[in-house]
Amino acid sequence: EDQVTQSPEALRLQEGESSSLNCSYTVSGLRGLFWYRQDPGKGPEFLFTLYSAGEEKEKERLKATLTKKESFLHITAPKPEDSATYLCAVQRYGGATNKLIFGTGTLLAVQP
Amino acid sequence: EAGVTQFPSHSVIEKGQTVTLRCDPISGHDNLYWYRRVMGKEIKFLLHFVKESKQDESGMPNNRFLAERTGGTYSTLKVQPAELEDSGVYFCASSQGGDGTQYFGPGTRLTVL
Repeated sequence: EDQVTQSPEALRLQEGESSSLNCSYTVSGLRGLFWYRQDPGKGPEFLFTLYSAGEEKEKERLKATLTKKESFLHITAPKPEDSATYLCAVQRYGGATNKLIFGTGTLLAVQP
Repeated sequence: EAGVTQFPSHSVIEKGQTVTLRCDPISGHDNLYWYRRVMGKEIKFLLHFVKESKQDESGMPNNRFLAERTGGTYSTLKVQPAELEDSGVYFCASSQGGDGTQYFGPGTRLTVL
């Protein structure tokens, strides 16, 4: 069964304190792995898509990496405005749909 | 470019009543998805439209849920009759291609009392 597990569930950082969020996945044929950011009361906001092991993508203070079993979202020198829930989702090959399978997310709080 | 919009933002109804949620996708996006997040759980897929056709409705919980997308533009999700366990946040997403990036709306928070 396809599954996505994110850790930690919650993370509290001081401003400037770099860290990483983990997304472990089990899927029968990965088409893509997606990272989204979600602010309270809003919908998920797209950040990155990774397609193959070894791929990396960056955006401002965020960098996403992918292996055959997991993905990391590295946050370098975070600011309070980076506080949000970060969601990981996978999409697999085959079948009639392109649905996303989500993890439960990591709630990040960055304190000034 | 306008994003995905959903209406209403909140809905509070009594058990047994009917509620209809609406989603307007990004203009030109043929693919439209419905997802749901119940408290404490992950976001889960409900169904996928390609234009006006249901591509996959394997995530629909039961026959109290009816989704439509007449004309291949906006979509509605009707819950009739609503039960307590239907409470949650219902998200709509759209994408240009079948395997394209899915862009999400702000969600509709449904509370069934």
